[in-house]
Amino acid sequence: DQQVKQNSPSLSVQEGRISILNCDYTNSMFDYFLWYKKYPAEGPTFLISISSIKDKNEDGRFTVFLNKSAKHLSLHIVPSQPGDSAVYFCAASDSGGGADGLTFGKGTHLIIQP
Amino acid sequence: DARVTQTPRHKVTEMGQEVTMRCQPILGHNTVFWYRQTMMQGLELLAYFRNRAPLDDSGMPKDRFSAEMPDATLATLKIQPSEPRDSAVYFCASGWGGSGNTIYFGEGSWLTVV
Repeated sequence: DQQVKQNSPSLSVQEGRISILNCDYTNSMFDYFLWYKKYPAEGPTFLISISSIKDKNEDGRFTVFLNKSAKHLSLHIVPSQPGDSAVYFCAASDSGGGADGLTFGKGTHLIIQP
Repeated sequence: DARVTQTPRHKVTEMGQEVTMRCQPILGHNTVFWYRQTMMQGLELLAYFRNRAPLDDSGMPKDRFSAEMPDATLATLKIQPSEPRDSAVYFCASGWGGSGNTIYFGEGSWLTVV
């Protein structure tokens, strides 16, 4: 039973356009959400996060949106650049559950085309 | 530049052999995680420690896997005996305990069991 779902295994976007990566979750106790970026042969690196008390968080070209009622979050990258080509993992945690581990989605492979 | 360090980076071993993976967390972090990445399951949490005490190893196959933290600078993940289905990338990550805190990953140990 996957609690964090990334339904698009891959996404292809033209350079300069907006990339939108989506993530859905089922556990209503999740209250902290993160996006990680992973290049081949490297570990995931933290990109951006959002707490459930917010609905938007922005950092440069990256913006994460959270819709709690729909249990949905998305990552927007504007404008997309070739270096953004990577696998993006959505992750979530439940602070009240006492667990520290993040629950990850299976990832979306973003390909930025020149 | 603080980082999580993992060894070995790559390991090929025969079925039935013991495999030990090591991790040096970022100095000062009190929580250490072991994740496994496979094509089918994505990133799965195997076990984690807080202040060197094991808090959760429910994601780990108990009969062959063991995780320990002999001191604050070293975490180990051992597989004995190894099986082909254990072939995966094993990531160590560290952070400060409590949800809402980002965790930082090492570059991973690529294990192939033949």
